[in-house]
Amino acid sequence: NAGVTQTPKFQVLKTGQSMTLQCAQDMNHNSMYWYRQDPGMGLRLIYYSASEGTTDKGEVPNGYNVSRLNKREFSLRLESAAPSQTSVYFCASRFGRGGEQYFGPGTRLTVT
Amino acid sequence: DQQVKQNSPSLSVQEGRISILNCDYTNSMFDYFLWYKKYPAEGPTFLISISSIKDKNEDGRFTVFLNKSAKHLSLHIVPSQPGDSAVYFCAATGGANSKLTFGKGITLSVRP
Repeated sequence: NAGVTQTPKFQVLKTGQSMTLQCAQDMNHNSMYWYRQDPGMGLRLIYYSASEGTTDKGEVPNGYNVSRLNKREFSLRLESAAPSQTSVYFCASRFGRGGEQYFGPGTRLTVT
Repeated sequence: DQQVKQNSPSLSVQEGRISILNCDYTNSMFDYFLWYKKYPAEGPTFLISISSIKDKNEDGRFTVFLNKSAKHLSLHIVPSQPGDSAVYFCAATGGANSKLTFGKGITLSVRP
């Protein structure tokens, strides 16, 4: 039981390049989330998926797209990376509305 | 519009003493509150939660107090230990959606 896994752990991109961050959970959770953490800004929600087949924008969705591939997997795509997207990205999952979210270890992304 | 506020960016306490971490919220639809702990280079981990039908929840050295009329909650750690040194995030959820709204976090340092 690995919980929430994220790949890659680190990535360096040049401005304009694209990439997909992968997230998977093995806890049979319904909801999945993508956050970014920046110094002094806390955790800000990018996109979330309340259940398989649905996705919704969070607080900072611009420049990102997501895919809920199946119940286990939720990917985050940067189509044209910008330096402002340099951040640490966390994926999380939750069983239902009242439960706590479980976080992955994070992906540290640098865009030069 | 910051709906969850952690106004103090840092707190330093002596080992063995009480740590009190504060959090304020503005959205009266919030009905479930959580505290997360985060070590460097790791994902946040769930610490303790409280529902709005309660005013206190205790788990070992950690107690969360909720004052609904003041829209204020606090996390008490007694006694504080050096291993408690981390960033603590307050989060809240409520209403029809399944999103968590996080504060900016507070860095706790426990001095030996």
